[in-house]
Amino acid sequence: DAGVIQSPRHEVTEMGQEVTLRCKPISGHDYLFWYRQTMMRGLELLIYFNNNVPIDDSGMPEDRFSAKMPNASFSTLKIQPSEPRDSAVYFCASSPSRQSNYGYTFGSGTRLTVV
Amino acid sequence: AQRVTQPEKLLSVFKGAPVELKCNYSYSGSPELFWYVQYSRQRLQLLLRHISRESIKGFTADLNKGETSFHLKKPFAQEEDSAMYYCALSGNTGFQKLVFGTGTRLLVSP
Repeated sequence: DAGVIQSPRHEVTEMGQEVTLRCKPISGHDYLFWYRQTMMRGLELLIYFNNNVPIDDSGMPEDRFSAKMPNASFSTLKIQPSEPRDSAVYFCASSPSRQSNYGYTFGSGTRLTVV
Repeated sequence: AQRVTQPEKLLSVFKGAPVELKCNYSYSGSPELFWYVQYSRQRLQLLLRHISRESIKGFTADLNKGETSFHLKKPFAQEEDSAMYYCALSGNTGFQKLVFGTGTRLLVSP
């Protein structure tokens, strides 16, 4: 298994533009998570899915952020419109149901820069 | 509510010195505790989990329920240990999301 795959690795965009981040979880993992990493706040959970259904989106900062999981092998995180303060590294992670024995498997992240 | 506190943003030591990265937690039930490591510009990786009582890369961590702590220790630091370390917590009943601390950057100098 290639692990959790995220694309793109780097994204530079202008303020106001739409940004879409993509994630392919590990096959067979029931849970998918989107995290944002910044120097100031560390790792923040934005949203997570179970069997493609959003369970907790309380970490989504505002309406400009949205996430979807149309099937078990693909998820997107969209920011529209983007702002400079959205600049961060966005990680996707997946986990099997019995995650307490395994923890999460993280992707390599997408480094987003909004100028 | 679940909360993980890592009081040190940066810990700087010399090669060969002992290392202790502090982690305290707040949780009303029985927690599952983890340490994750992130080397420069790489993905987060699970380092160890308290349930397995293992030693990885010379690191150990003991869950102290009385002090609600899960400090990460290594007797002799190596330069390749320089990384960002995150402590994380979840409950152990059913599936519960991981809550991370803000991380501690360990810098090991030659």
